[in-house]
Amino acid sequence: DAKTTQPPSMDCAEGRAANLPCNHSTISGNEYVYWYRQIHSQGPQYIIHGLKNNETNEMASLIITEDRKSSTLILPHATLRDTAVYYCIVRVASSGTASKLTFGTGTRLQVTL
Amino acid sequence: DGGITQSPKYLFRKEGQNVTLSCEQNLNHDAMYWYRQDPGQGLRLIYYSQIVNDFQKGDIAEGYSVSREKKESFPLTVTSAQKNPTAFYLCASTRGMGQLNTEAFFGQGTRLTVV
Repeated sequence: DAKTTQPPSMDCAEGRAANLPCNHSTISGNEYVYWYRQIHSQGPQYIIHGLKNNETNEMASLIITEDRKSSTLILPHATLRDTAVYYCIVRVASSGTASKLTFGTGTRLQVTL
Repeated sequence: DGGITQSPKYLFRKEGQNVTLSCEQNLNHDAMYWYRQDPGQGLRLIYYSQIVNDFQKGDIAEGYSVSREKKESFPLTVTSAQKNPTAFYLCASTRGMGQLNTEAFFGQGTRLTVV
């Protein structure tokens, strides 16, 4: 399985851009990078995903390096409600028919006034 | 509204008892997953299922069992063999066999406390 590495915690001032990095150096060519976030004691919420091109939606932007070994999630104008644990995962097609979703420990983003 | 529902939200059980956590989805998703989360930790995969009547062990399957008799339901039983069952349990679902380009939907979790 492709593993991901994220910093355990980051701080960001409200209104500024939050840039959350993720390393996935063993990613395979057909594996997507997904980002989720989890607010305390709730189920994770999908944010964005991509294969090799940069992606943008109403929540965030995803920048994937050309070699696909790392990516950055960008929250353009962070608010206090963006305080959460952010997970970068690689969706792996395991042997047989099933596809696993394997989570790491994530980055705890604290947005401050 | 389509979604994934876990029940109950909080569950208390005595040590040595089996307990079953419910997970139901009306998204017509083929794949379903169970995760365990301990305080300050990430999600660890317990079991997953791609289609009805088929499931695979995840990373921490010991002490747990599942069934997938219906597409919309994937109950998890925490057995007495699970040494540390107190945790937050999350269920998820995704579309399609081998479709890597689709996101997962999560339930709101069940917090199990064994006393």
